Amino acid sequence: DTGVSQDPRHKITKRGQNVTFRCDPISEHNRLYWYRQTLGQGPEFLTYFQNEAQLEKSRLLSDRFSAERPKGSFSTLEIQRTEQGDSAMYLCASSFGPRHSTDTQYFGPGTRLTVL
Amino acid sequence: GESVGLHLPTLSVQEGDNSIINCAYSNSASDYFIWYKQESGKGPQFIIDIRSNMDKRQGQRVTVLLNKTVKHLSLQIAATQPGDSAVYFCAENSGGSNYKLTFGKGTLLTVNP
Repeated sequence: DTGVSQDPRHKITKRGQNVTFRCDPISEHNRLYWYRQTLGQGPEFLTYFQNEAQLEKSRLLSDRFSAERPKGSFSTLEIQRTEQGDSAMYLCASSFGPRHSTDTQYFGPGTRLTVL
Repeated sequence: GESVGLHLPTLSVQEGDNSIINCAYSNSASDYFIWYKQESGKGPQFIIDIRSNMDKRQGQRVTVLLNKTVKHLSLQIAATQPGDSAVYFCAENSGGSNYKLTFGKGTLLTVNP
């Protein structure tokens, strides 16, 4: 399977704990995106990377959230001191980048986070 | 703020019929639009896209129509099959550098056998 992969697929944690999710993009893609999706809603943009540089962060990304892409390949999203409101599906997407005429974002299967 | 929205939250069709899912957008600067299909428990799956310099694009059993005058986007699915049952999202890229998609709420398509 050469698509976007995410790990874990499901995470249940207690309020106040830290969690970390991993995303492996499609190998030749330069851009990587994180979105959050709550039940019944469309995905909401959180942040994106061009190679290893984090170029934009949404206001949704509070100071408890941090994302990294240290080598320009896989990315991690960490949530510190989780709150029940953090419960959502966390989606990762990747795309080729501006070199290409289209920059279609392809999504992974998501990580479902439940904070008890 | 500007947003992407859908006219109908649910759509129920008979197998074999054609389906039309509509989407309204309000950001006139948007230049790229995408339709995604999302099945329960899965990530959004790319269906088809269209740039603002086009008004129609066809794929396999799907057609996207863009009407920039009234800021309307539609997805037509021909000969709808049970496997087409899912939530369909339209998304827009609000101009400039091509990132940060803005999604609508989605339309649940149910195909009855």
